This record gives sequence, C-alpha cells and structure tokens, in this order.
Amino acid sequence: GQQLNQSPQSMFIQEGEDVSMNCTSSSIFNTWLWYKQEPGEGPVLLIALYKAGELTSNGRLTAQFGITRKDSFLNISASIPSDVGIYFCAGRLNTGNQFYFGTGTSLTVIP
Amino acid sequence: NAGVTQTPKFQVLKTGQSMTLQCAQDMNHEYMSWYRQDPGMGLRLIHYSVGAGITDQGEVPNGYNVSRSTTEDFPLRLLSAAPSQTSVYFCASSYSGVGITDTQYFGPGTRLTVL
Repeated sequence: GQQLNQSPQSMFIQEGEDVSMNCTSSSIFNTWLWYKQEPGEGPVLLIALYKAGELTSNGRLTAQFGITRKDSFLNISASIPSDVGIYFCAGRLNTGNQFYFGTGTSLTVIP
Repeated sequence: NAGVTQTPKFQVLKTGQSMTLQCAQDMNHEYMSWYRQDPGMGLRLIHYSVGAGITDQGEVPNGYNVSRSTTEDFPLRLLSAAPSQTSVYFCASSYSGVGITDTQYFGPGTRLTVL
C-alpha cells in the first residue's frame, strides 16, 4: 500500500501558539483530505483539497495542496484547548478510489 | 440525515466466533469502505465497494468478508474471529468516481475485542 509520512508524530504547545504539520508521499495524489479525530469518535473531515497549489481555510485552519502533488500541509492558528486531538491526512491517487491515511499527529494544547 | 451509522459500538468476542459489523448511510453515496485503526497507526483499508453488487479488497482483507446488496448498507463479517482482529473499525462513505472531487465521511466506529 501507499505510505504517507505524517509529521510531527506529536506536538505539545501552549494555548495561543500556531501549529504546523505536514504529510508527504512518494506518489502523486489528486486529492488531499485532513481529518481530526477525538477520543472515542470517528475522524471528522476538516478540509478537502483537489488541485495542486490550492490553499483552503476553515476558520483558524488552513491547508495547502503541495505543488509537487506529493505533499500537503495543515496550519492551525492561535490554538485553543478544543483543538486537542489526532489529525490525519489522507490522499487519493489519480487511479482508483482508495484513500490512504497518514499515521496521525497527536496535538496537545496546554492552557 | 443521520450520515454514516455503525452498530454495535462495542463488542467482545471469543476466538473462533463470528459476527457482523453493520454500517449504513443515508446520503445516497455509491462508495463505501471499511477501515481498521490500531494504536499508533493510521487507518488501513479492509474492503471497499463502488456500488451495490460490487466489492473489492483493500490493504488488509484477510479474515473479513463483505457484501453490498443495497446502496445504503455495507456489512463487514468476521467468520472466525482472531485476537489479531482486536481493533477499532470504521465505516466510511463518499460519492465515488475516479477524477471526481470527493470526500469521505466516517461513522463513529465499532470497538472490537477478541479474547
């Protein structure tokens, strides 16, 4: 299967700080998705990206589809305690319908 | 619109037992899939379906069967449960289609323990 490398694996930040995480692949993807998962729940879609270079925001969250189509980035500005959770990237190849997931970035926000 | 629903939420099985995890969606999505999530790992695709009557294997299909008799339902069957199948199982759905902009929506998960 496809390997998506997501980094960092975990982050501990102070409330109010900005957060950056990224996801890279050895293959070219035509779709990048970013999800947040809270304990005991399923992943919830945050942002979807469909074109290389695309920059999309959802409130304090901004994600970008990398120009090479092999990476994507998620930024969270002015973090708050409710941002705590695990953030997953997912990508889809040009061929097929399968989404491949990164291993997640665990975010802890210290009040 | 309930989205993607899964039952049961929790299940404990003994080795060798069989069971079916239920998944349903009311969004008229063609594409449905099953993932398992293990500690420290991302979600791994078990089986998927691009429409009623069509199923295919994902990354980790061994030990699982699926069928898709309707657009709405996509059950996952464990014929003879093994401890290695202890995991959290998520069902997801989307509109489907190669080249079509699409996103996946997940159910709340089934937490399965096999003793």
